Amino acid sequence: DAGVTQSPTHLIKTRGQQVTLRCSPKSGHDTVSWYQQALGQGPQFIFQYYEEEERQRGNFPDRFSGHQFPNYSSELNVNALLLGDSALYLCASSLAGQARYGYTFGSGTRLTVV
Amino acid sequence: EDQVTQSPEALRLQEGESSSLNCSYTVSGLRGLFWYRQDPGKGPEFLFTLYSAGEEKEKERLKATLTKKESFLHITAPKPEDSATYLCAVESYGGSQGNLIFGKGTKLSVKP
Repeated sequence: DAGVTQSPTHLIKTRGQQVTLRCSPKSGHDTVSWYQQALGQGPQFIFQYYEEEERQRGNFPDRFSGHQFPNYSSELNVNALLLGDSALYLCASSLAGQARYGYTFGSGTRLTVV
Repeated sequence: EDQVTQSPEALRLQEGESSSLNCSYTVSGLRGLFWYRQDPGKGPEFLFTLYSAGEEKEKERLKATLTKKESFLHITAPKPEDSATYLCAVESYGGSQGNLIFGKGTKLSVKP
């Protein structure tokens, strides 16, 4: 049973560029959340998608946007990259209303902005 | 504002030396408290969910407990393979399900 799959695993971008990260949720899950984890910090909530709609958003600027597709997969887009956007980007999936089973995280995409 | 504080930041144990990790939280209504394990360069791996004060859950050498203000992760007779960063997170009724607020984690090193 495949867990959460994220691509690419590593990415290097230049300041000002745009990037798209991808996430396939665990089989049977319908909700996807995105997190940013800076080095030595805990993950920070960016936003969550359910039924192809953004359900809630954390304290991140509009440069961060997302999308969920009918097959529940999701994309995270970041425009006008800043050096401070360098981090591990994590995707977590779940089945709506089943939090007691926990949220399943992928291995993340390591983004480096130079 | 919902907040999670974990202590200590780092903990070094000898194999077999039991100890506890602390997670203090303030939330506007606790929906759930989660413990995760994270290995270097990997995503967090789910360990436990706790919902109400007094609740306890166990898995192999790990036992998580919950009070109204904090949670403990007890590690009994740890082995080197237990070395990892342990993350605590809360989900509050002020946010949606899946909006987890994480602490910075406790980095555990177990020496043989």
